[in-house]
Order: sequence, then C-alpha cells, then structure tokens
Amino acid sequence: QKEVEQNSGPLSVPEGAIASLNCTYSDRGSQSFFWYRQYSGKSPELIMFIYSNGDKEDGRFTAQLNKASQYVSLLIRDSQPSDSATYLCAVGEYGNKLVFGAGTILRVKS
Amino acid sequence: SAVISQKPSRDICQRGTSLTIQCQVDSQVTMMFWYRQQPGQSLTLIATANQGSEATYESGFVIDKFPISRPNLTFSTLTVSNMSPEDSSIYLCSVEGRDSEGANYGYTFGSGTRLTVV
Repeated sequence: QKEVEQNSGPLSVPEGAIASLNCTYSDRGSQSFFWYRQYSGKSPELIMFIYSNGDKEDGRFTAQLNKASQYVSLLIRDSQPSDSATYLCAVGEYGNKLVFGAGTILRVKS
Repeated sequence: SAVISQKPSRDICQRGTSLTIQCQVDSQVTMMFWYRQQPGQSLTLIATANQGSEATYESGFVIDKFPISRPNLTFSTLTVSNMSPEDSSIYLCSVEGRDSEGANYGYTFGSGTRLTVV
C-alpha cells in the first residue's frame, strides 16, 4: 500500500512568518506531487503541483521536491490568518489516481 | 481548470436507503474519480469512472455498495446503497486537468456532498 505521511499538527505560526509543511511518500516511482488547501467544510483546492526535483514558486507559495529523499514540502511566506486551513499532500499514482496524506492543520495567529 | 457541479450538497438519510450523487463537468474528461472523506480524515479513493466501461474500484469498495454510472464524458453518478451510519462522510468527485498540450496541471474537486445517515 503506497503511503503519504504528513505531520497532523497543528502547526502554529505568527502572522508574517514562514510556514513550512512537510510530506514524505513511500513509492519511489511517483512522478507527480500536489498540495491542496482545505478549509473546514469545503472541498480541497489545488495550490501547487510539482513534477521535477527542486523548487517551484507561485506567489507566496514554494513547493520543494527531493525525489532521492522521497520528500516534498510547501513553504508559505508572509503567512496570513486566511492561510489557516488543513494542507493536504497528494502523490500521483499509476492510473492517474491520487493518494492523499492525512493533512497538516495550519494556524496563523494574528 | 474544469468546473464541477456536484449535488446534492448535503443530505440526511435513513439507514437502509440509497442516495445518488451527481457530478456534472463543464468540459469533456476521460476519467472521473470518486473520493470519500470521513469525519476528521483525509480523502480515500473509492473508484475511477471511465466513459463506456465499468468503474474500477479500490480495495475495500465494491460495486454493489457504490454503483457508479458514467453515461458520457461530462457526467457521472455515485450511489451509496443500503446506507448505514458508517457511511456518513463527505463524498467528492474529481477530474484531472490537462492543458492544450495534454500536460497534467492538477485535479479539481467538486464542492462535495455531506451525507449523514441516521
């Protein structure tokens, strides 16, 4: 069974700080990686996807991928209270399916 | 990205009954995915629905309990049959997004159906 591991948190950061969210995965053959944000009572919303080793930046968000270590992370710069949500890491599987981690709860304190 | 209309948004059902959830996509997609999110948990894939063929179910999910229809490339339904309180969850449909060159740019989810079985 392919697994995706995340620290459940909650991760608490002050407003304006950098939030760092981490994810490890078990399938060394995985090629696609996604970060979703989910507000309470809402469906997941795609924030970032990354396929290649290294960093990918989009606004305040940076996704980092290290396939050798089977590790993917999401950095949120200048964290805002509106960033408080559950962040789900997902890994693409054969057949275009996604395997999700349990999610990390982020709380940004103003 | 694709826009998905999912309904109903929520329902309260009696045990032993069935509920059919519908997802309509604003563009043609090859595969549609059905997920379940139990309270406080992450998302678990139920099945993958392709147009013109039987859905492919994940371990722990069976067609008799979760029959799926996929009559065309923009529409799918998931039925939760003979419901019990353990079926109380959020059910979500999802589609894969592809750009004009066929590259995957992520997956979009419907707004979800919050099901409570009493």
